[in-house]
Amino acid sequence: ETGVTQTPRHLVMGMTNKKSLKCEQHLGHNAMYWYKQSAKKPLELMFVYNFKEQTENNSVPSRFSPECPNSSHLFLHLHTLQPEDSALYLCASSQDIGGETQYFGPGTRLLVL
Amino acid sequence: SQQGEEDPQALSIQEGENATMNCSYKTSINNLQWYRQNSGRGLVHLILIRSNEREKHSGRLRVTLDTSKKSSSLLITASRAADTASYFCATDGVDSRLTFGEGTQLTVNP
Repeated sequence: ETGVTQTPRHLVMGMTNKKSLKCEQHLGHNAMYWYKQSAKKPLELMFVYNFKEQTENNSVPSRFSPECPNSSHLFLHLHTLQPEDSALYLCASSQDIGGETQYFGPGTRLLVL
Repeated sequence: SQQGEEDPQALSIQEGENATMNCSYKTSINNLQWYRQNSGRGLVHLILIRSNEREKHSGRLRVTLDTSKKSSSLLITASRAADTASYFCATDGVDSRLTFGEGTQLTVNP
């Protein structure tokens, strides 16, 4: 495995629920990313953090709220999601920001009912 | 705008055959990477080729890059059933963000 872990691996939630996705990297990297992967669509970059600071919010709705307490941990807080938010959410890290090799976690498969 | 676009969308071959996937992109790049994803899992980095390189090898993988045509190819030789996965190219453009294509679904039949 790549040294990036994600929990939970699967999540089913109702539209009124609040839940959080967790990502942890054990690689000593400085940059972390959240991606959304939906069927038949390219990977969509959601958020980028560099040294715990958010450097990019790719026009993501406010019902997705990221949190990066330190450079090893990244959370994605979910609130009042829509069924179209059902997807695989992938966390990744890289040594530094930019076009370097990214190391991905296994993802969280989210189903919004 | 979307950078990498893979071709074909799906490829089915027999074990032992070679598999070739192509990637085209639109703007200048610093490097191009190929990733693999098994069903429902995270992506795994395979190989990175820089804009000043034309070819790179890693085990059974061979990647070429033609910056004049803005295209790259990934060749997997002597394929195995375990190579069945989706393969993505990712380009690093002027904004230094990685942009992924939609991927090629490779099926290797035993």
